[in-house]
Amino acid sequence: VQLLESGGGLLQPGGSLRLSCAASGFTFSDYYMSWIRQAPGKGLEWVSYISSSGSTIYYADSVKGRFTISRDNAKNSLYLQMNSLRAEDTAVYYCAKSDSGSYFEGWGQGTLVTVSS
Amino acid sequence: DIQMTQSPSTLSASVGDRVTITCRASQSISSWLAWYQQKPGGAPKLLIYKASSLESGVPSRFSGSGSGTEFTLTISSLQPDDFATYYCQEYNSLYTFGQGTKLEIK
Repeated sequence: VQLLESGGGLLQPGGSLRLSCAASGFTFSDYYMSWIRQAPGKGLEWVSYISSSGSTIYYADSVKGRFTISRDNAKNSLYLQMNSLRAEDTAVYYCAKSDSGSYFEGWGQGTLVTVSS
Repeated sequence: DIQMTQSPSTLSASVGDRVTITCRASQSISSWLAWYQQKPGGAPKLLIYKASSLESGVPSRFSGSGSGTEFTLTISSLQPDDFATYYCQEYNSLYTFGQGTKLEIK
């Protein structure tokens, strides 16, 4: 099982960024996928999840209306479109897989997003 | 929203010690609780799911117990590789993590 995030970087407040997560080693279309973030020196915060088919999506209140999760099962890929970024969105963003939306049984290595002027 | 509270926040222990970390939920979550281990610079790793089920490949010195609102993670005999930060996480509603417990070498 491999999950490989990409797309992180340094950007100014109000900017936009799209994160990607490439999956391999398992049947991607069978699993729910989530984004989870960790601010520097802080704990884990769940951000968003998408069901295996993409029909069910949830967001944490802290990102609702600004972030959009999506997936392309044909490309074994998960995405997170992040708009109107704030300093408090600075974090390492992990993608993670779960069976039917339960615990996170596999994690990527993370990609760092830094929002700073 | 469900709140998850871990205690202690920091725990100092020695190799060979038996240690217990507690996680309390603000409302009943049945057994829908997982435990993760995270080492500096690394991603979290699943240890326990459904409160007491050991993830494949995880050493048997790790065990979990509890249901409802109170849960524990026990390491029966600490090994050098176990010094890390541990998080509980509920998946009864959406997902909420505890604030973490840092296990340090005494």
